[in-house]
Amino acid sequence: QSALTQPASVSGSPGQSITISCTGTSSDVGYYNYVSWFQQHPGKAPKVMIYDVTVRPSGVSNRFSGSKSGDTASLTISGLQAEDEADYYCSSYTTSSTVVFGGGTKLTVL
Amino acid sequence: EVQLVESGGDLVQRGGSLRLSCAASGFTFSCCTINWVRQAPGQGLEWIAYIKSDSRTIAYADSVKGRFTISRDNAKNSVFLQMSSLRAEDTAVYYCMRDRGYVFFDPWGQGTLVTVSS
Repeated sequence: QSALTQPASVSGSPGQSITISCTGTSSDVGYYNYVSWFQQHPGKAPKVMIYDVTVRPSGVSNRFSGSKSGDTASLTISGLQAEDEADYYCSSYTTSSTVVFGGGTKLTVL
Repeated sequence: EVQLVESGGDLVQRGGSLRLSCAASGFTFSCCTINWVRQAPGQGLEWIAYIKSDSRTIAYADSVKGRFTISRDNAKNSVFLQMSSLRAEDTAVYYCMRDRGYVFFDPWGQGTLVTVSS
């Protein structure tokens, strides 16, 4: 149950686009289309932004999008806004019928 | 409104036990898989366990297997996490959440803090 690999930090200016990668293995990200992305502001509970690799839950801005290629999933945020500054975590279901998270990525809006 | 509320977090000595509760409201509780995820201070998220609607399918992370037990009472709309042989590294905020599919965790509770003192 090794954690998925995410960059520790990314940054961008308002209006720009950023992408956060999430690399797993053929036993998790690469096997299932069950990858989710969560946003967490300081002191708050996480909130789901993307599930099933590409699906946005109702109420989530269409500036957030997800994709996957092989063992790597990605979250793209376009038109960056100050309120997007937060920690982001990816997660995947695994072939062991367990769940694994990424280490998290701190997004800074410059 | 769909809501989950955790309780039971406390300061406990190393080697001790604690039982966390997760009370759900606003949805048909018996339909849904419930997960526990924890977050150590300043650290990332770590999945702990899940229990499916009929209580027959349960899974644990290796880090807690054999020490933690998840259970549910559908009549009381509640899920429980019995924690024993607690270690300093179990210190964390513990969240429960509904799973609407596979890792479609929504919503999350506000969390309850467990502190294990050495």
